Amino acid sequence: DAGITQSPRHKVTETGTPVTLRCHQTENHRYMYWYRQDPGHGLRLIHYSYGVKDTDKGEVSDGYSVSRSKTEDFLLTLESATSSQTSVYFCAISAGQGREKLFFGSGTQLSVL
Amino acid sequence: RKEVEQDPGPFNVPEGATVAFNCTYSNSASQSFFWYRQDCRKEPKLLMSVYSSGNEDGRFTAQLNRASQYISLLIRDSKLSDSATYLCVVKPQTGNQFYFGTGTSLTVIP
Repeated sequence: DAGITQSPRHKVTETGTPVTLRCHQTENHRYMYWYRQDPGHGLRLIHYSYGVKDTDKGEVSDGYSVSRSKTEDFLLTLESATSSQTSVYFCAISAGQGREKLFFGSGTQLSVL
Repeated sequence: RKEVEQDPGPFNVPEGATVAFNCTYSNSASQSFFWYRQDCRKEPKLLMSVYSSGNEDGRFTAQLNRASQYISLLIRDSKLSDSATYLCVVKPQTGNQFYFGTGTSLTVIP
């Protein structure tokens, strides 16, 4: 258990509304990631963080922003949700000195109507 | 071109069968390789890392061929509980991003 908690687990929202997903870790890992998973595309990186206030874009970052004000929390925000952002969102941390591996949270199912 | 490519399957095999999955990667500077397992509606979980010399964990064997840029996963004596999607994951030598294949679906049939 890598001590990763995502909230909420499920969310239904309407187009145009802002949405924030939270990822919380208990083990002080430096790197945190947000992925989305869609049929036919696999897991795609949205944003990642390599420390407090240090973040970078992934391959599908448009329409998303992130913040990391504390080591343990990594927030993903959809400023104005669209139906194309309906997906399953996974948070992950990387751990393992010298041979990092990814460990995932349980995911958030987001539906944008 | 995608960083990592997998045959999506599905693979439907009887119990006790041996099944193999392959995955190719495009970045020759890739350093770390993994197989993850994902059950329906669950998060991916690390199944095993893949080392240059090949490695085995019970019924599972992973191999890496750097020259041809592919990794493989062999499952022997398939169990019903092996039914899942298997994801190939590659990490380049530089940076801290991981690249995923789209996954290969396996169903083991009684």
